[in-house]
Amino acid sequence: NAGVMQNPRHLVRRRGQEARLRCSPMKGHSHVYWYRQLPEEGLKFMVYLQKENIIDESGMPKERFSAEFPKEGPSILRIQQVVRGDSAAYFCASSPPRTSRPEQYFGPGTRLTVT
Amino acid sequence: AQTVTQSQPEMSVQEAETVTLSCTYDTSESNYYLFWYKQPPSRQMILVIRQEAYKQQNATENRFSVNFQKAAKSFSLKISDSQLGDTAMYFCARNAGGTSYGKLTFGQGTILTVHP
Repeated sequence: NAGVMQNPRHLVRRRGQEARLRCSPMKGHSHVYWYRQLPEEGLKFMVYLQKENIIDESGMPKERFSAEFPKEGPSILRIQQVVRGDSAAYFCASSPPRTSRPEQYFGPGTRLTVT
Repeated sequence: AQTVTQSQPEMSVQEAETVTLSCTYDTSESNYYLFWYKQPPSRQMILVIRQEAYKQQNATENRFSVNFQKAAKSFSLKISDSQLGDTAMYFCARNAGGTSYGKLTFGQGTILTVHP
């Protein structure tokens, strides 16, 4: 049973470019979460999605950031017009349906560097 | 804001000894879950242990156990027989609780170094 997959593992973008981060949840998991980790800090929640629905986006910056989890395919975190402050590790996590265990299983992260 | 606080930025322990990492949290929910995650140098987040708030019995997973004090909103992690592979950043986390299993709120982390 494969774990949570994220790609790419490392992404370098110049200021003003777009970054697209992908996450495939564990098999059987229908909930996806995105977190951001700045250097030397803990993880900060960004957004919580189920298939075709955004459940909680209270941690998402108001501009330039968007997320989706389509019926088919991976979840995508999209950052438009990246700035140096977007440089961070972005982690995706997944969890089973709500009637099951609530713990979240994390992918290996995508390290975004904005030059 | 409902927060999670880890007051020990760094800890160190000798191999085979025991160490306790502290965590306090804030919540207005009566039912919620608490977790400890480990982040080794690879940066992969690994679930170590979880505790359900309505269970009084402290959770145990092999060498890892917790001391959960609900009234004090305290959730410490004890690592027994420390091993070199336990060297990592450890994060305490709480889920949203109530009817939602949603977002996790993490503490700032404690860097644990196990010395040979």
